[in-house]
Amino acid sequence: SQKIEQNSEALNIQEGKTATLTCNYTNYSPAYLQWYRQDPGRGPVFLLLIRENEKEKRKERLKVTFDTTLKQSLFHITASQPADSATYLCALDIGGYQKVTFGTGTKLQVIP
Amino acid sequence: DTAVSQTPKYLVTQMGNDKSIKCEQNLGHDTMYWYKQDSKKFLKIMFSYNNKELIINETVPNRFSPKSPDKAHLNLHINSLELGDSAVYFCASTSRGLDGYTFGSGTRLTVV
Repeated sequence: SQKIEQNSEALNIQEGKTATLTCNYTNYSPAYLQWYRQDPGRGPVFLLLIRENEKEKRKERLKVTFDTTLKQSLFHITASQPADSATYLCALDIGGYQKVTFGTGTKLQVIP
Repeated sequence: DTAVSQTPKYLVTQMGNDKSIKCEQNLGHDTMYWYKQDSKKFLKIMFSYNNKELIINETVPNRFSPKSPDKAHLNLHINSLELGDSAVYFCASTSRGLDGYTFGSGTRLTVV
């Protein structure tokens, strides 16, 4: 079955630097991959979706890449700010009608 | 206007009781989901409905019974609650999946 792996360790970076989070999957490449942000006590919030035929997607300070050869997606936040501190989840279709499953998330802490 | 609203936000109950969680979305989405997020923050899909029809039913104990009276509502009824049912339950909806999922703010269920 499809497994999704994200860095389980928290990621601490200095304000202004670029944060890079990794999402690896094990089996077949999904049709698309999504990234979400989750703050404590809140539901996940959709950030970006990238399709299998797209190499890169950008939205403001966010950039997502998708490498189906490496079976990996990278999520970048440039010029990071303390307000970017949250847990970031990747999610992908594991087969079946809109059956999306989530990784365990990476907790990002941006230090002022 | 809240896009996906869940009630109640908190639910504390004793083992063996029966409880329900309600979810409503005003986004006009066709597909709705229930996810369970455990203490390790792992989000696991439970059920999905598309236009009132059950399309995803993961390996969830049959004490859990979803009901969708119309495509804007998806409720979750849980019988004979057990300690292991303690978690945060999230409702989500999507139109085609390609716009991402919109999550509710969650229901924190504590079984004592």
